[in-house]
Order: sequence, then structure tokens, then C-alpha cells
Amino acid sequence: GNSVTQMEGPVTLSEEAFLTINCTYTATGYPSLFWYVQYPGEGLQLLLKATKADDKGSNKGFEATYRKETTSFHLEKGSVQVSDSAVYFCALSDRPGSNYQLIWGAGTKLIIKP
Amino acid sequence: ETGVTQSPTHLIKTRGQQVTLRCSSQSGHNTVSWYQQALGQGPQFIFQYYREEENGRGNFPPRFSGLQFPNYSSELNVNALELDDSALYLCASLAGGHNEQFFGPGTRLTVL
Repeated sequence: GNSVTQMEGPVTLSEEAFLTINCTYTATGYPSLFWYVQYPGEGLQLLLKATKADDKGSNKGFEATYRKETTSFHLEKGSVQVSDSAVYFCALSDRPGSNYQLIWGAGTKLIIKP
Repeated sequence: ETGVTQSPTHLIKTRGQQVTLRCSSQSGHNTVSWYQQALGQGPQFIFQYYREEENGRGNFPPRFSGLQFPNYSSELNVNALELDDSALYLCASLAGGHNEQFFGPGTRLTVL
């Protein structure tokens, strides 16, 4: 079945460091891919998305490129801030064109130290 | 703020009891999904409702059931609670034809 694997956390970085959180997926067809963020005490928020191969999603300085050849959707940010500390989830939708029935990775906790 | 609210925030039940969790979606969002998020894990899809009918279900037993109402609110009901049902329950709403789900803050259920 479809699945999402993301790097285990926690990931601890200093402020202004470069961030990469790896995400790979297994899916039939052409899923849509998402990154969600969960700040402490808050609900899940969509960070960015990509719906087809080679699309790049971006938001708040974060980027991720849908790589079908490597079945990956790695999250990157050039310079992280303390306020980026949160749990990040990679997810896919196995229904083309929509994102219901999301399949999720286990989440990666990011800790940014001043 | 996503415009999606859930109640209650926290709930404690004992094994064997029944529980009802509630969600109020954004106005105009005719689709609602429910997810279970165990501690330290990603959410697991329970089911989805579209125009008051269930139209997708994950790998959860029948004791997990739901309702959706015309006023964009919905319920998740769990019968015969088990210890493993302890989790954060999330609802998410989306408008038909749109490609983004809006999540509520969740209900933390503890089963003792």
C-alpha cells in the first residue's frame, strides 16, 4: 500500500542554519504531496504542496520539490529561525486532484536553538 | 485560525464506555475527514463524510462511526472504548473541488 517515510527526529539546529528534512514515499499513480506543520499547542497547518512531478511548493521560506524519479519530497529552508520549532509532517493523497484520505509520515520534530 | 473548531478539548473515559467528539467545519465546506493521531505518530485516516454520507474509510473497526449534519458540523462516535483508543482526534474540512484541508485543534482522548 501507499506509505510515507520521513527522517526521525528530533532535529536540532542553531538559528540561521540550513534545514533539510527528508521525505520519501511509496505510491501507485501520481499522488499529491504535502508538508504540514504542527506548532506546540496548535493544530495542523498546511505548509506547502505539490500536485505533479517537478512541481516546487514554497511558503514562508520553506521549499520542497516533487521528485518522481527518486519518490522524494524533501523539505528545505535556507536559514531557520527559533519560531520554526515545530513538528513537520510529510503526507500524500492517493486520490488525484484532491487531498482527502491523506497518508502521513510519523513526523519530524525540529528544535531551533538561538 | 482555520475556522474549524472541535469539542471538547480534553476527555477522559474508562474502557468499555462510549464517546462522542464534535467538529464544526468552515461554512461552505461540505467534506469532513476524521483522523486519529497517537502520541509521537502521524495521523491515521478514520473516515470522510461528503454531504452527510460516508465516502471513504480507513482501517478502523465499525465501532468508530460518524455523522455529518447540514450545518457543517459533524460527530465521531466510538463505542466500547479500548486503551489503545487514547489519542488526539483531528477533524479537517475542505470545500468541494479545492485542494486543501483545514484542521481543527483536536480532542485529546484518554482511556483509562
